Amino acid sequence: DAGVIQSPRHEVTEMGQEVTLRCKPISGHNSLFWYRQTMMRGLELLIYFNNNVPIDDSGMPEDRFSAKMPNASFSTLKIQPSEPRDSAVYFCASNTDGGQPQHFGDGTRLSIL
Amino acid sequence: AQSVTQPDIHITVSEGASLELRCNYSYGATPYLFWYVQSPGQGLQLLLKYFSGDTLVQGIKGFEAEFKRSQSSFNLRKPSVHWSDAAEYFCAVGPSGAGSYQLTFGKGTKLSVIP
Repeated sequence: DAGVIQSPRHEVTEMGQEVTLRCKPISGHNSLFWYRQTMMRGLELLIYFNNNVPIDDSGMPEDRFSAKMPNASFSTLKIQPSEPRDSAVYFCASNTDGGQPQHFGDGTRLSIL
Repeated sequence: AQSVTQPDIHITVSEGASLELRCNYSYGATPYLFWYVQSPGQGLQLLLKYFSGDTLVQGIKGFEAEFKRSQSSFNLRKPSVHWSDAAEYFCAVGPSGAGSYQLTFGKGTKLSVIP
């Protein structure tokens, strides 16, 4: 069975550019999560969708970050404009009805120069 | 506020030796407890989980963990480590109950295995 699929796996871009990260959840899962992993702060939840609706976006660091889920099989996390401090590994996870456990993708390693 | 402490940042063991990774948590009620493993360049894979019942839980890859309510601990163990176990291990806690999506992760313990 296919797991959570994230793209790209690596992204290197210059400060000020727009960055779009993509996620395809496991088929049948109706909950989707975006996390950010850094050395300093560890794993942090950015946003949680249930049935394509954002339920909790309290972890989104600032207005430069936005996330959408236009349908049950696709979500994007966008950073515009990007800054060097956004460099991190971004994970997408999915499960059913916001329950546990969550199933994680392999992540996108983002480097902002 | 809930918190998870993994006191060991880095542990090195010899292949074949036993392993115990420590996890302590602070939580208002009995939480759901998890151990995840992250291999280099990979996502987080669930090793095992505790929801209720038997406090000794078995997971994949020969791992087990024991929930000790009195010590607020959920330590991960393996009797004999293999070189392929080298990875980073994360303990996580979340509220019990349906739809309880929040997870608080520890900072992780990196495991190195000496052949």
